[in-house]
Amino acid sequence: DAKTTQPTSMDCAEGRAANLPCNHSTISGNEYVYWYRQIHSQGPQYIIHGLKNNETNEMASLIITEDRKSSTLILPHATLRDTAVYYCIVRALNSGYALNFGKGTSLLVTP
Amino acid sequence: NAGVTQTPKFQVLKTGQSMTLQCAQDMNHEYMSWYRQDPGMGLRLIHYSVGAGITDQGEVPNGYNVSRSTTEDFPLRLLSAAPSQTSVYFCASRPSLGTEAFFGQGTRLTVV
Repeated sequence: DAKTTQPTSMDCAEGRAANLPCNHSTISGNEYVYWYRQIHSQGPQYIIHGLKNNETNEMASLIITEDRKSSTLILPHATLRDTAVYYCIVRALNSGYALNFGKGTSLLVTP
Repeated sequence: NAGVTQTPKFQVLKTGQSMTLQCAQDMNHEYMSWYRQDPGMGLRLIHYSVGAGITDQGEVPNGYNVSRSTTEDFPLRLLSAAPSQTSVYFCASRPSLGTEAFFGQGTRLTVV
């Protein structure tokens, strides 16, 4: 799996968009970008994933740069319940079972 | 649809005791796994299974056993608990390798 780099922590005001960056400069052509989050003391929750095109679902949007070396997860209207650790994972579909969560970004949404 | 259910939610063991952490899923997923999460760290894979009757070791398998007799259940056994096994344990399932993983709510284990 390609190495990812995320900021350790970020703040966001409630109601504003939260933009969480992830660098993955060594990503291979067959590797996807996955995002999970972990709200305090709970199990990780899948958010979204993509290969090269931008993706959107009911939770978030994923913007992947054209060279695929970085991506941004966007929570369009952050709420206090979005306070969590967000993990960016880059992996190919057949790259084995383990999900390498790393340290992630701790997002604090403030009133 | 309950998703992934783990029991118990909390457990305190004495050093040397054995116990089984239960994990069940009702989504008919082939892939199931166990992770542990220590304070301030990411999740590390203990064991995983790609179907009934098939299991394999992950990154940190020592001290743990698993079996997969049915698609639904994937119990994790601690043979002789040690303080180093104090952790939060998460069970996960998914239909295939490239798809999203669903996690249980975790079992917080303390070994004294």
